[in-house]
Amino acid sequence: AQSVTQPDIHITVSEGASLELRCNYSYGATPYLFWYVQSPGQGLQLLLKYFSGDTLVQGIKGFEAEFKRSQSSFNLRKPSVHWSDAAEYFCAVGVMDSNYQLIWGAGTKLIIKP
Amino acid sequence: ETGVTQTPRHLVMGMTNKKSLKCEQHLGHNAMYWYKQSAKKPLELMFVYNFKEQTENNSVPSRFSPECPNSSHLFLHLHTLQPEDSALYLCASSQDPTENYGYTFGSGTRLTVV
Repeated sequence: AQSVTQPDIHITVSEGASLELRCNYSYGATPYLFWYVQSPGQGLQLLLKYFSGDTLVQGIKGFEAEFKRSQSSFNLRKPSVHWSDAAEYFCAVGVMDSNYQLIWGAGTKLIIKP
Repeated sequence: ETGVTQTPRHLVMGMTNKKSLKCEQHLGHNAMYWYKQSAKKPLELMFVYNFKEQTENNSVPSRFSPECPNSSHLFLHLHTLQPEDSALYLCASSQDPTENYGYTFGSGTRLTVV
């Protein structure tokens, strides 16, 4: 069965430090991969997506993610976090069943230390 | 503002009440979705509408009743809810549910059932 795992429920990072959020998926075919961010009281905003081609994908707000097929991973990174990055981050895999649908991870809450 | 508008932002209702959630998009998207977001759980897809036709109903209890009068509007009618139905209800839209372009989300309705 398809699934998405985000192993870290919470991550705390100092402002200015680098960030990596982990995402692992289980899917038999080539996946479509997404990262979304949700600020408090808001809906989800698409940060970046991978469909094919270059496995290093650039997104908005200075984020990037790398697709590693051998590790079934799509980790999100940012070289230097800002206090405004505090939010919850969701990884999702697009799969085609009877319809196309997104399989979601449970999210990782990012806390920024001043 | 993401282009998907949800009203109301907050709703408190008793278990015997009837209320409706509204979602509106003017992005020219053809597919609309209702998701339930509960704490510490992955997003749960409830309903999918493609060109106003319901194409997915993920075993949602009948106390939730969707309505899609046109491609721009989506409603979720609520009646005789239970306290465990308290959650953030998110509406999303996409160009086409068979394509992998990612979704645009509204800011959600925070529902509390008392």
